[in-house]
Amino acid sequence: EAGVTQFPSHSVIEKGQTVTLRCDPISGHDNLYWYRRVMGKEIKFLLHFVKESKQDESGMPNNRFLAERTGGTYSTLKVQPAELEDSGVYFCASSQGHDRVKYGYTFGSGTRLTVV
Amino acid sequence: AQSVTQLGSHVSVSEGALVLLRCNYSSSVPPYLFWYVQYPNQGLQLLLKYTSAATLVKGINGFEAEFKKSETSFHLTKPSAHMSDAAEYFCAVSAPPGSNYKLTFGKGTLLTVNP
Repeated sequence: EAGVTQFPSHSVIEKGQTVTLRCDPISGHDNLYWYRRVMGKEIKFLLHFVKESKQDESGMPNNRFLAERTGGTYSTLKVQPAELEDSGVYFCASSQGHDRVKYGYTFGSGTRLTVV
Repeated sequence: AQSVTQLGSHVSVSEGALVLLRCNYSSSVPPYLFWYVQYPNQGLQLLLKYTSAATLVKGINGFEAEFKKSETSFHLTKPSAHMSDAAEYFCAVSAPPGSNYKLTFGKGTLLTVNP
């Protein structure tokens, strides 16, 4: 079974530019989550999709962040325009069911975003 | 609201020595607790989880953790460190199903194993 795939693995962009991160979940996993780790801080929840619907986007930092999951397959997270404080590692995770104890999460390797 | 505190951002041990990574949590409801590990250039991998059953939880690669409600702790241990254990370890908490499902992570502890 293929795991959760994220790309790019690294991205360096200038402040004010736009970046789009992509996550391909495990096939058949309806639940998809985005988390972010800013340097030196905790990994924090950003949002949760069930299929193509956003169930919870309470962790999205501001309206410069836009997440989509058209067709309920892969997801993209766009940052426009990027600011310096957006630098960090963005993790994607997927789960077959919402009960993370029963079904568990599988995390991707993350995208390291650096805004200069 | 829930929170996790990992004591020590960096722990260094000798190969063969005891590994002890500390985690304290705060939760207004009975928590579910997790330890994840991240090896270089890889994703987060679940080591073990506590879900209100046995308080001593055994995980992969010889790790175990003990839930102590009175101390609000969930420390991770391994009797004998191996070079391959070098990685970053994250403690996380979430409320049981039916309530807030989000994982709340600690800041992580980087484990270095010296030969």
